[in-house]
Amino acid sequence: SQQGEEDPQALSIQEGENATMNCSYKTSINNLQWYRQNSGRGLVHLILIRSNEREKHSGRLRVTLDTSKKSSSLLITASRAADTASYFCVSVRTQGGSEKLVFGKGTKLTVNP
Amino acid sequence: EPEVTQTPSHQVTQMGQEVILRCVPISNHLYFYWYRQILGQKVEFLVSFYNNEISEKSEIFDDQFSVERPDGSNFTLKIRSTKLEDSAMYFCASSGDYNEQFFGPGTRLTVL
Repeated sequence: SQQGEEDPQALSIQEGENATMNCSYKTSINNLQWYRQNSGRGLVHLILIRSNEREKHSGRLRVTLDTSKKSSSLLITASRAADTASYFCVSVRTQGGSEKLVFGKGTKLTVNP
Repeated sequence: EPEVTQTPSHQVTQMGQEVILRCVPISNHLYFYWYRQILGQKVEFLVSFYNNEISEKSEIFDDQFSVERPDGSNFTLKIRSTKLEDSAMYFCASSGDYNEQFFGPGTRLTVL
């Protein structure tokens, strides 16, 4: 599989339900980030979890990281129609003083009102 | 809140023409990046730039591409002779020291 594969590729839920997206990566990382992108628009940073952290919360978002399995999950609780977007897992490796981001293919989330 | 800006939002050009995509990173950031996203595909890293030089580039970033920081605020990506396959969304990003990268809204490049 490729670096940063998200699972599922597409997810459709009802408003109020929770959405869980998973991601795997291949190389060692400094941190892992999740971004969202509304259709054809820019990338918005959601949350960053460092390689020595296992879980992080931010509002309705909960991210877990398992470096032994090279996997992460993003949970969005009490989803809203406005959460409809593509969500990308991004593995981050520091190299040569700058950070190299490797994006996954993304999960397309649709939240139905 | 400071943000990364990009101009133009949409650029249409003829194959073989040169294009310059412009970005204004967040003012106190030190690291600058370009990414591209071909329609329906992954966001791909192109190049990172620090201290007025390229720190890393991908295989995509061949001799047709160049980056420049011509003054204290702008960061540009030049494609010398555009090809049809260069059509994509190009994102600029900037970051402080080992912090999250902040992305601009993107420039949609269409090569005809």
